[in-house]
Amino acid sequence: DGGITQSPKYLFRKEGQNVTLSCEQNLNHDAMYWYRQDPGQGLRLIYYSQIVNDFQKGDIAEGYSVSREKKESFPLTVTSAQKNPTAFYLCASSTGAHSYEQYFGPGTRLTVT
Amino acid sequence: KNQVEQSPQSLIILEGKNCTLQCNYTVSPFSNLRWYKQDTGRGPVSLTIMTFSENTKSNGRYTATLDADTKQSSLHITASQLSDSASYICVVTGGGSQGNLIFGKGTKLSVKP
Repeated sequence: DGGITQSPKYLFRKEGQNVTLSCEQNLNHDAMYWYRQDPGQGLRLIYYSQIVNDFQKGDIAEGYSVSREKKESFPLTVTSAQKNPTAFYLCASSTGAHSYEQYFGPGTRLTVT
Repeated sequence: KNQVEQSPQSLIILEGKNCTLQCNYTVSPFSNLRWYKQDTGRGPVSLTIMTFSENTKSNGRYTATLDADTKQSSLHITASQLSDSASYICVVTGGGSQGNLIFGKGTKLSVKP
């Protein structure tokens, strides 16, 4: 999993609660990304950040929020506004823009009941 | 519309046999194409990355081909092993400064003894 850690591996929450997923990298990469993966679906981009203190919405940003206060860290908060939060969440990083190879973390499986 | 289509959706083969996975894309402009291997419940791991001018690239028993004219790629696995059981994801990066990544839904390969 190449220097990217996500915690926890499994996360359970009650509906209506916000939850924050951790992503840390020690690869000295500038860019970091959050994806969501659902069964039978391709990965979908939630948010990405190309530099500290800056981030952009991806294709499915509604109901999610992020911060990038440090180069190494890119936490994702799943808010109660997200209609279907149960999914497998993957964090990735790359040296530069989207065209550079992305390295993925091990993922966090979030279950909301 | 930029799309990446993979076939078959799933595949079962016997250990030691070869197999070929297909990826067709309509992404334009094109920057590069990557194949990732994703074990169940884990993050994707890069197998190969090819640019427009590359036709073939190998990584051990994995050989990827790219035909940029027909916008097709294949991943050939030789002498399959039980550990090859995984999902294989084709990812195409579009050109431009943002380099949008388009993910296929993956092919789920099961290698049986």
